[in-house]
Amino acid sequence: DSGVTQTPKHLITATGQRVTLRCSPRSGDLSVYWYQQSLDQGLQFLIHYYNGEERAKGNILERFSAQQFPDLHSELNLSSLELGDSALYFCASRAGRSGANVLTFGAGSRLTVL
Amino acid sequence: AQSVTQLDSHVSVSEGTPVLLRCNYSSSYSPSLFWYVQHPNKGLQLLLKYTSAATLVKGINGFEAEFKKSETSFHLTKPSAHMSDAAEYFCVVSDGNQFYFGTGTSLTVIP
Repeated sequence: DSGVTQTPKHLITATGQRVTLRCSPRSGDLSVYWYQQSLDQGLQFLIHYYNGEERAKGNILERFSAQQFPDLHSELNLSSLELGDSALYFCASRAGRSGANVLTFGAGSRLTVL
Repeated sequence: AQSVTQLDSHVSVSEGTPVLLRCNYSSSYSPSLFWYVQHPNKGLQLLLKYTSAATLVKGINGFEAEFKKSETSFHLTKPSAHMSDAAEYFCVVSDGNQFYFGTGTSLTVIP
C-alpha cells in the first residue's frame, strides 16, 4: 500500500457521460499529479496541484477538469466521454513543492467507455 | 528543457542473466533521475532515485543505476533476472517541479 488512495478502482460507463475520479494523497503530501495511461499514448501528464492551487497543465483536454480541496484530496472530472478516454488514470503525490522530490503513485482508476 | 529517451521499447532476457535497460536524458542543469516499475494492472513503484549524491544508485530488488553525466545516461541494471522482474520500466527526469517520463521498456523474462 503506497498510501495514495484512488477510487473507484474500475469504472464502466457510456459515451457522453461524466465521471469523477478521486485521489487521497499520502498523509502530509501537498502536491497531487494526475496522469493518463493508455496503450497508444503511453503515460501522459494531465495536471499538477500544490496545496489547492493549480501549478501546471499537461495534455489535459478541455472536457476534463480537476481540483484539489482544502483537505488535499483531489478529483478529476471527465465529461462528454468518448471511447478514446478509456484508460488507466493515475494519481501521484509528493511531499512539498520541491523537497522530497519523489512521486508516490496510487493503484489507478481504470475507466472503460463503451 | 527536460526529456528522457528509453532506447529499447522491449527487452527479453533469460532468467538468471543480467538485465540492462537503457535511458538517456536531456537536462539544462543537474537533474533528479528515477526509475519506476509497473507490474501488470498495478501502479508505478519507485525502484531508485539519483539526486546528485553518489553516481551509483542502489534500489530495491537488486536493481541499480549509474549516473553518467558525460554520456547523459542513467541505465538500469540487475546482475541476475528473476521471473518476478517481468514488468514495464520507466525512466524519469525531474526539474524539481515537474516529472518527465520516458515511453517505457517492457521487460520479458524467459524461464
